This record gives sequence, C-alpha cells and structure tokens, in this order.
Amino acid sequence: KNQVEQSPQSLIILEGKNCTLQCNYTVSPFSNLRWYKQDTGRGPVSLTIMTFSENTKSNGRYTATLDADTKQSSLHITASQLSDSASYICVVSAAETDKLIFGTGTRLQVFP
Amino acid sequence: DAGVIQSPRHEVTEMGQEVTLRCKPISGHNSLFWYRQTMMRGLELLIYFNNNVPIDDSGMPEDRFSAKMPNASFSTLKIQPSEPRDSAVYFCASTESLGLAGGPADTQYFGPGTRLTVL
Repeated sequence: KNQVEQSPQSLIILEGKNCTLQCNYTVSPFSNLRWYKQDTGRGPVSLTIMTFSENTKSNGRYTATLDADTKQSSLHITASQLSDSASYICVVSAAETDKLIFGTGTRLQVFP
Repeated sequence: DAGVIQSPRHEVTEMGQEVTLRCKPISGHNSLFWYRQTMMRGLELLIYFNNNVPIDDSGMPEDRFSAKMPNASFSTLKIQPSEPRDSAVYFCASTESLGLAGGPADTQYFGPGTRLTVL
C-alpha cells in the first residue's frame, strides 16, 4: 500500500536552532517528492520538488534530501526563525498513475 | 498576478443544503486541483483537471460531490446535499504544467481555501 509517514508529529525548537523533519514513503513506482509549508489558516506553499535523480535541493534556509534507495526524505531548516512556525507536509507522487500521496505533516513551533 | 482566488472564504450552512465553492486559477495555468483538509485525514486530493477536462476524480468521496471547469479561468466544487462530515477546509490549486512529473512547471500554487461548516 502506498503510504507516506512523517516524523515527528510535532516539534518545538528555539529560534536560531536547526531542525530536521523526516518523511518515509512506500510509494512505488516513485515519481517525485514534494515538501510544502502551511501556515495556520493559509494554503500550502511549495518548498521543493525532487525527482528520482535528485538527492538534494535547497530553497533558502530549507534543504531537502532524498534517498530513493531507502525511500526516505528529510527537510532541514537552518537557523530557524519565528516565521518557520507552520506545518510541513511531505507529498509523494506515484509514477504512471500520477497519484499524490500525502503525509499527515509535522507541526513545527519556533519560540523566541 | 493575484494568485489562485477562492470564494467564499467561509461558508456556514445547514445539513441538506447545496454548497458551491468557486475557484479562479492563475492565468495561463493548465491544471487545476481541488483538495479537502481536515484534522483527522489531513490533505486529500479530490479531483484534478487538465485543460478543463477532469483527469482523476477518484478522490471524490461520493456522488454528493461534483466538480466542473467550464473554462480555463473558473471551476466549481458542489456538494448536494451537504452533511456535517463535509465540514473541512477546501483548497484549490493550479499548476502551469499538465502533469505531476516533478518539473518546475509542476509547482502547485494554492488558494487561501474555503472553510466550510455544515451544521
């Protein structure tokens, strides 16, 4: 069964610290993996999209990694800011069917 | 560009009533997606269109839900009759591309969502 699991469910860190969010998937065949940031009360915003051949992609202080062999991805946030407080959603696209399988998200809170 | 526009932003209705949600995608975008988000189930894809044609509606929960895209700049999601379990935030998103292969043109741009409450 195609699944996407994210961990941790929630995370609290202090401003300025780094953190890493995890995404494990069982989707096959794999097409691409996306990370979204969703602020409370807003729509998700795309951070990165990675295909099979890409193992790292950055967007400012956000760096996503992908290991297609182990079917794992991580989102690393460097020097966190209060504005990073949000939910981060991992989405995997299945090849051939173009199905999108969503993780349930990690809720990140950054405190001063 | 104003981004993806959705209306209304909030809708409160009574069980059994018809509800129509509206979406205007980003001009020039070729694909449009409808999502539903709840605390229990997270974000779910309901249906998506390529060039105004429905491609995959397997996420539509049941016959009470229907979606149309009469032209490239407008789409509706209708629930008739509505039920309390339909209460959720409904998002519309659009992409420049026609697929989900993962290229830059596949970046999805989401609207602000419509918060639906069915009493």
